[in-house]
Amino acid sequence: AQSVTQPDIHITVSEGASLELRCNYSYGATPYLFWYVQSPGQGLQLLLKYFSGDTLVQGIKGFEAEFKRSQSSFNLRKPSVHWSDAAEYFCAVKDAGKSTFGDGTTLTVKP
Amino acid sequence: EAGVAQSPRYKIIEKRQSVAFWCNPISGHATLYWYQQILGQGPKLLIQFQNNGVVDDSQLPKDRFSAERLKGVDSTLKIQPAKLEDSAVYLCASSLGQGRGETQYFGPGTRLLVL
Repeated sequence: AQSVTQPDIHITVSEGASLELRCNYSYGATPYLFWYVQSPGQGLQLLLKYFSGDTLVQGIKGFEAEFKRSQSSFNLRKPSVHWSDAAEYFCAVKDAGKSTFGDGTTLTVKP
Repeated sequence: EAGVAQSPRYKIIEKRQSVAFWCNPISGHATLYWYQQILGQGPKLLIQFQNNGVVDDSQLPKDRFSAERLKGVDSTLKIQPAKLEDSAVYLCASSLGQGRGETQYFGPGTRLLVL
């Protein structure tokens, strides 16, 4: 069965600093991987997705993620965090239409 | 383009009462999902529809939860009777199809508190 682990429950970074959120997945075949962001009281918004090809994918809001098959990881990065990036971030793997989500990482941005 | 609409946004009920949630997906989206998101966890799929047929309801507690999408457009999710552990945010999402690469668009959710 597919599963997703986000090892960091909560991360705090200073505004302008770089960010990396970790995601590890378990899936037998080539995974379809996604990162979503959820602001308080809002639904999830897709940041980026990976299916195949270039292992470094670009998303919205300046985010990128790198797929590393050997490490079963799909970490999300941003070179310079803005205060508006404070939110909860979810990694997900999808199989035959069914998505399995990690439990999320809450990002706090210090001024 | 209008997004996924859900109502109500908030609901407080007592245990053993019943409650219903409504979802209107993005126009033209054939696939509709209901997720349960318990505080501190990621969303968990309850049921997936393709048009008005059920694709996956393996994690739906069928003794108390039911869902329908009669005309293949909007959908309702019902809980009867509610338990304390049903307190969660119920998210509706839709996509054009059910392929692995399809993007899911989420509504704002209904926050349910069972007392």
